[in-house]
Amino acid sequence: QKEVEQNSGPLSVPEGAIASLNCTYSDRGSQSFFWYRQYSGKSPELIMFIYSNGDKEDGRFTAQLNKASQYVSLLIRDSQPSDSATYLCAVRGSGGYNKLIFGAGTRLAVHP
Amino acid sequence: DTEVTQTPKHLVMGMTNKKSLKCEQHMGHRAMYWYKQKAKKPPELMFVYSYEKLSINESVPSRFSPECPNSSLLNLHLHALQPEDSALYLCASSQEDRVWTEAFFGQGTRLTVV
Repeated sequence: QKEVEQNSGPLSVPEGAIASLNCTYSDRGSQSFFWYRQYSGKSPELIMFIYSNGDKEDGRFTAQLNKASQYVSLLIRDSQPSDSATYLCAVRGSGGYNKLIFGAGTRLAVHP
Repeated sequence: DTEVTQTPKHLVMGMTNKKSLKCEQHMGHRAMYWYKQKAKKPPELMFVYSYEKLSINESVPSRFSPECPNSSLLNLHLHALQPEDSALYLCASSQEDRVWTEAFFGQGTRLTVV
């Protein structure tokens, strides 16, 4: 079983819709969770992080964490074509504090 | 400022060459990382330095040799690489070796081994 799992997509949503990206993790000891956006050929860019159960909102982005279900999600409201990218879920806290382990990423395509 | 600077941006090297990748941050971060990313794959952790000491080596082949000369700099020395080592090499840093810290990435070095 992979430590961090994501649906590879592509997830296709129309412009203006809500995009929902999901991530599950295997280690119950994981304590912090991050969402990175990566455009093709570029490096990952941090967009959200969450440590506590519940929701965390930042502009059009909402991260949701459910530690009991070992599940973290990212909602993007009012999706724009510029949001088209690969979204990487990363988890820290398993196997040592410094290990930041990435899921395979979900490719999001927002069409006009 | 969340800038991590990597040089060079692109590197082409032969299998007998020796080269180095450089990474620099001036955010006062005390943890620095090297990741390797192949096309359409997630970043894979290679090394972690915490307070200038190597804390994690993910069983990386010895042809990759990391070095942390000071708290702002991280190098990756390359020697006798193979074509399959061609990838995007990413450096990242975070404030400390604590769980509640975000990691910020540099723009990467695109390495091609010929």
